[in-house]
Amino acid sequence: DVKVTQSSRYLVKRTGEKVFLECVQDMDHENMFWYRQDPGLGLRLIYFSYDVKMKEKGDIPEGYSVSREKKERFSLILESASTNQTSMYLCASTQLGAGELFFGEGSRLTVL
Amino acid sequence: AQKVTQAQTEISVVEKEDVTLDCVYETRDTTYYLFWYKQPPSGELVFLIRRNSFDEQNEISGRYSWNFQKSTSSFNFTITASQVVDSAVYFCALSLRGGSQGNLIFGKGTKLSVKP
Repeated sequence: DVKVTQSSRYLVKRTGEKVFLECVQDMDHENMFWYRQDPGLGLRLIYFSYDVKMKEKGDIPEGYSVSREKKERFSLILESASTNQTSMYLCASTQLGAGELFFGEGSRLTVL
Repeated sequence: AQKVTQAQTEISVVEKEDVTLDCVYETRDTTYYLFWYKQPPSGELVFLIRRNSFDEQNEISGRYSWNFQKSTSSFNFTITASQVVDSAVYFCALSLRGGSQGNLIFGKGTKLSVKP
């Protein structure tokens, strides 16, 4: 059974803290993605990666960075968390050329 | 510009009613893919269907059916004889670069509530 696993379902952090959100997939997919989901705004792409150590900015990369040191792992980093980064974060992966995304269960981050 | 519009923010129906979720897309690409995803209360998005731009045949899968019309840039989703388990947020999405990279543009979603 294919699986995308996000390390934390719920996190509460303070303004200014550094936050790591981890995502691991077991399908040997080339492409991995980080989206954020907010009420009324749908899903918006933050960053994606199509290979190890490669990354591309999505629609809303400001305030975020990513790391892909291994094919199966894609990390989203908030260098200095702010309250407007309170959101649901969704990781996804796909086989190159297939198009269909497989999603993790999401990480709900609250920044106080 | 690429864009997906789901005009219906929320829909509420009674069990066994049929319901159609609308999706209108914009793209200048001639090759593209359209998707529907379901997000139940548990939060994980579940893939329902992918359709490429060259295949306008309607598709039926059990109680689900999809109507793709390039002439109106629409890809509507119908649930027949709805059930309480169909309650979820449904997202329509469009791929960039013909799906080669996999990054999707999502609509804002339609929240469907099916009441017993």
